[in-house]
Amino acid sequence: KNEVEQSPQNLTAQEGEFITINCSYSVGISALHWLQQHPGGGIVSLFMLSSGKKKHGRLIATINIQEKHSSLHITASHPRDSAVYICAVVDAGGGTSYGKLTFGQGTILTVHP
Amino acid sequence: IAGITQAPTSQILAAGRRMTLRCTQDMRHNAMYWYRQDLGLGLRLIHYSNTAGTTGKGEVPDGYSVSRANTDDFPLTLASAVPSQTSVYFCASSGPNQPQHFGDGTRLSIL
Repeated sequence: KNEVEQSPQNLTAQEGEFITINCSYSVGISALHWLQQHPGGGIVSLFMLSSGKKKHGRLIATINIQEKHSSLHITASHPRDSAVYICAVVDAGGGTSYGKLTFGQGTILTVHP
Repeated sequence: IAGITQAPTSQILAAGRRMTLRCTQDMRHNAMYWYRQDLGLGLRLIHYSNTAGTTGKGEVPDGYSVSRANTDDFPLTLASAVPSQTSVYFCASSGPNQPQHFGDGTRLSIL
């Protein structure tokens, strides 16, 4: 069983819909990352969080440390949001302020106009 | 250079050949990482370095070596390439408790 599980694996939406991608993990963590990867493209960090909630534009990330769960929400989705969204965690036992990431499998999001 | 640069962007290589993937960053980040990305397996850590002069093994280090002679450069070497090393390779860097910055990737095919 992977340490980091994402759901759903694939998600199709119509433009304007509210989208939620979920991430569950099984280890104690010091931080959780949400990353975005466009087709054929590089990887961009969207959020790094260790508690609570962060917002950037139409994107919102939340984390519940007790439940070992995080969600990424996209409000008013747009076709340009189509990408792979990847959850990654930093093991709390790493003993360093530099985080080795363990990744989920990614969620493929397609937003149709 | 702005950010993190990988070279080459793609390469086709015969099995058994030696290959070095280059990674350079200009952000003065202490930590650097090499990942491979494979369909169905996601991203996996190959090697990392928390500071110049030190390196460590990740999840899938076999068949790969790295060096960190200075802060900016973190090359990844395949001493004798095998077809199972066909993958997309990403280099990344970060400061302490900061998000990682990723390069654009190197697409490597071993025949």
